Amino acid sequence: DARVTQTPRDKVTEMGQEVTMRCQPILGHNTVFWYRQTMMQGLELLAYFRNRAPLDDSGMPKDRFSAEMPDATLATLKIQPSEPRDSAVYFCASGQDFPSTDTQYFGPGTRLTVL
Amino acid sequence: RKEVEQDPGPFNVPEGATVAFNCTYSNSASQSFFWYRQDCRKEPKLLMSVYSSGNEDGRFTAQLNRASQYISLLIRDSKLSDSATYLCVVNKGAYYKLSFGAGTTVTVRA
Repeated sequence: DARVTQTPRDKVTEMGQEVTMRCQPILGHNTVFWYRQTMMQGLELLAYFRNRAPLDDSGMPKDRFSAEMPDATLATLKIQPSEPRDSAVYFCASGQDFPSTDTQYFGPGTRLTVL
Repeated sequence: RKEVEQDPGPFNVPEGATVAFNCTYSNSASQSFFWYRQDCRKEPKLLMSVYSSGNEDGRFTAQLNRASQYISLLIRDSKLSDSATYLCVVNKGAYYKLSFGAGTTVTVRA
């Protein structure tokens, strides 16, 4: 049963520290999405990639967030410096062009707490 | 106005009951519609796609009304395991981009 994996599952850090979250998409999937979920805002799309190329990162605060796909099996989301308002659950999801571009499979998430 | 709006609930229903709820979407160019399910402290999981003609998957029935821009989900013969938050999801009209509602919480009691 193929799954999206994310590390770490939980992260507690102090304001100003760098945070890196990692995602391994399902093998063969060519689209990767980063979402953030909070009680107040719900699920927000931060960035997404197709065939490792960034297609849209308009949902991401550019001054402190960056997303990359160094290879087809790894996507990263980095926050530098982190702030308390970044506390949220960060989900990675992957998908593929066929049979449907809209079906996305979510990883278990990284629960980030910034003190 | 939010792109996808849902009644947050909670809907508290006894086992065996039928529960139904809607969501509305604002982008008339949306082409694809889904219901996802999210359990407490877990990731969202695709429950079912929603087609224009309406579709069923076991005890779950989804309907789409394009003219009024709303989607519904009906759960028959509710089980305790149906307790979750149901997210209404709409394609934003742009390739790959989905917009998620805030979710409707359903609690099924014994």
